[in-house]
Amino acid sequence: GENVEQHPSTLSVQEGDSAVIKCTYSDSASNYFPWYKQELGKGPQLIIDIRSNVGEKKDQRIAVTLNKTAKHFSLHITETQPEDSAVYFCAASAGYNFNKFYFGSGTKLNVKP
Amino acid sequence: DVKVTQSSRYLVKRTGEKVFLECVQDMDHENMFWYRQDPGLGLRLIYFSYDVKMKEKGDIPEGYSVSREKKERFSLILESASTNQTSMYLCASSPPGLSSYNEQFFGPGTRLTVL
Repeated sequence: GENVEQHPSTLSVQEGDSAVIKCTYSDSASNYFPWYKQELGKGPQLIIDIRSNVGEKKDQRIAVTLNKTAKHFSLHITETQPEDSAVYFCAASAGYNFNKFYFGSGTKLNVKP
Repeated sequence: DVKVTQSSRYLVKRTGEKVFLECVQDMDHENMFWYRQDPGLGLRLIYFSYDVKMKEKGDIPEGYSVSREKKERFSLILESASTNQTSMYLCASSPPGLSSYNEQFFGPGTRLTVL
């Protein structure tokens, strides 16, 4: 099955700096790559996603890039704020099943005020 | 707003007990999922269901079973709990779509400790 690797496992930045989280995947048939944010005591929540026919997508301070050739995708957060502190998960869809996701191991982001 | 609720936030059970984790969603979603979340391992899929009475094994189904008698409810069953099943359990649901990608909506999780 798909193997999704995520780095780094922890990331500490100063408020206002940028944060980048990177993921790689193994199944070239994967076509959908969502990113989830999990705040303390809550379940993960979708923050942005990208499909394989798109190289980059932005939503305010958040952007995701996808390189299908290299099989990697990244989350970029600009002008970080303390409320961005959370655990972030990348995921890739199973090539044969649009509803099945494989998740990365998570990145704990700490934004220092 | 989609709401996915899980019956307990914290649960403590003893080895060998039968454990039921309940999940209810209120958006008439066809798809429901059970994951376990462990530090350094991310979310791993245990079972999922496309419809009432339908289920499919995920990546780590051993030691678990599921039940979906009603569309809004998906139960995870640990037939005989073991200490290595101590974990955070997350339920999710998503709308139908075998030909498109759909956001999964997660519940708050149940932290299960097996002593």
